Amino acid sequence: GNSVTQMEGPVTLSEEAFLTINCTYTATGYPSLFWYVQYPGEGLQLLLKATKADDKGSNKGFEATYRKETTSFHLEKGSVQVSDSAVYFCALLNAGNNRKLIWGLGTSLAVNP
Amino acid sequence: GAVVSQHPSRVICKSGTSVKIECRSLDFQATTMFWYRQFPKQSLMLMATSNEGSKATYEQGVEKDKFLINHASLTLSTLTVTSAHPEDSSFYICSVGRGGAYSGQFFGPGTRLTVL
Repeated sequence: GNSVTQMEGPVTLSEEAFLTINCTYTATGYPSLFWYVQYPGEGLQLLLKATKADDKGSNKGFEATYRKETTSFHLEKGSVQVSDSAVYFCALLNAGNNRKLIWGLGTSLAVNP
Repeated sequence: GAVVSQHPSRVICKSGTSVKIECRSLDFQATTMFWYRQFPKQSLMLMATSNEGSKATYEQGVEKDKFLINHASLTLSTLTVTSAHPEDSSFYICSVGRGGAYSGQFFGPGTRLTVL
């Protein structure tokens, strides 16, 4: 079946530090992969996505590359800011799954000034 | 993307009462909407898929009679928590799928339900 595994949080970093949040998946076929972000007290927002192998999604300084050989979609940012403090969710979508997303458990990130 | 609203943003009710949460797709006609419940330790649980003009599809373990979903139009889906109890207190989020099959979902801001 389909599943998503994220590194457990919480992750605490100082401002301007490098961020990596690991995400691996299992899926049949060729899923699309997503990172969503949830800021405190808010709903989820799509951060970035990749729809095929070797695609790189990027937004707001965040990047993630769809690696089929390692079934991974790790989220990275070179220099985090306090405003990046949020919960980050990795998710996959497989064709024929009626648009149902398969979610990771989320990783909480706290960035200190 | 898609703009999705939810109403109310917060609701407090007494145990035994029913609460209705609305989800609106403001700029897109959505044949499918999704309802999630988010637990305190962040994880998202898909409750049901709301289909316009037909019955919702519930996930395993979700009580249909407890969580009534109505998707009467292409822009509105409602979730009614019937006979609410304190254990129903949670953050409820709706989303719509838009674009091609691989385009993912766009989320409403969520509704915080507190049952006293």
